[in-house]
Amino acid sequence: KNEVEQSPQNLTAQEGEFITINCSYSVGISALHWLQQHPGGGIVSLFMLSSGKKKHGRLIATINIQEKHSSLHITASHPRDSAVYICAVRLNNNDMRFGAGTRLTVKP
Amino acid sequence: KAGVTQTPRYLIKTRGQQVTLSCSPISGHRSVSWYQQTPGQGLQFLFEYFSETQRNKGNFPGRFSGRQFSNSRSEMNVSTLELGDSALYLCASSFEDRDEQYFGPGTRLTVT
Repeated sequence: KNEVEQSPQNLTAQEGEFITINCSYSVGISALHWLQQHPGGGIVSLFMLSSGKKKHGRLIATINIQEKHSSLHITASHPRDSAVYICAVRLNNNDMRFGAGTRLTVKP
Repeated sequence: KAGVTQTPRYLIKTRGQQVTLSCSPISGHRSVSWYQQTPGQGLQFLFEYFSETQRNKGNFPGRFSGRQFSNSRSEMNVSTLELGDSALYLCASSFEDRDEQYFGPGTRLTVT
């Protein structure tokens, strides 16, 4: 079993919809990252979380340390949000582990 | 501030050859991490350097090595290339080793 599980694998939404991507992990971590990867490969770090909730524009990320679960929410989705979203965890020994990614397509 | 740069962006090599990839971090960043991304395995951690010292290494064979220079620039080397080494190699820099990371555009390596 992968140490970091993401769901769903693929997600198609209509413009304006509220989107949730989930990440569960089974190891002890010092931080969790949400990454966005556009076609062509470039990766942007969206959030780094160790507790609670963070918001940046239309994006919200939450983490529940006790339940080992994090969610990434996108409000009022837009076609430019179409990308692969990757959950990554930094282990206590500083290693990084990655989820398989969620491919999001937002249709106009 | 200039972002993370990686050179070269694309590379084609033959099995058995070796390759060196370069990463220049954001000015002032002291930590550089390297990752491999393939369609089958996804993103995997290769190694992390901080102030010229390797802090951590992922589960890769000894053919994969790296180093960091005093100006924080980093190189990774893969010797005796195999077809399975074809991948996108990404580096990321951060100010400290547990800070938010900024990714470079990657080097796409194709081994034939």
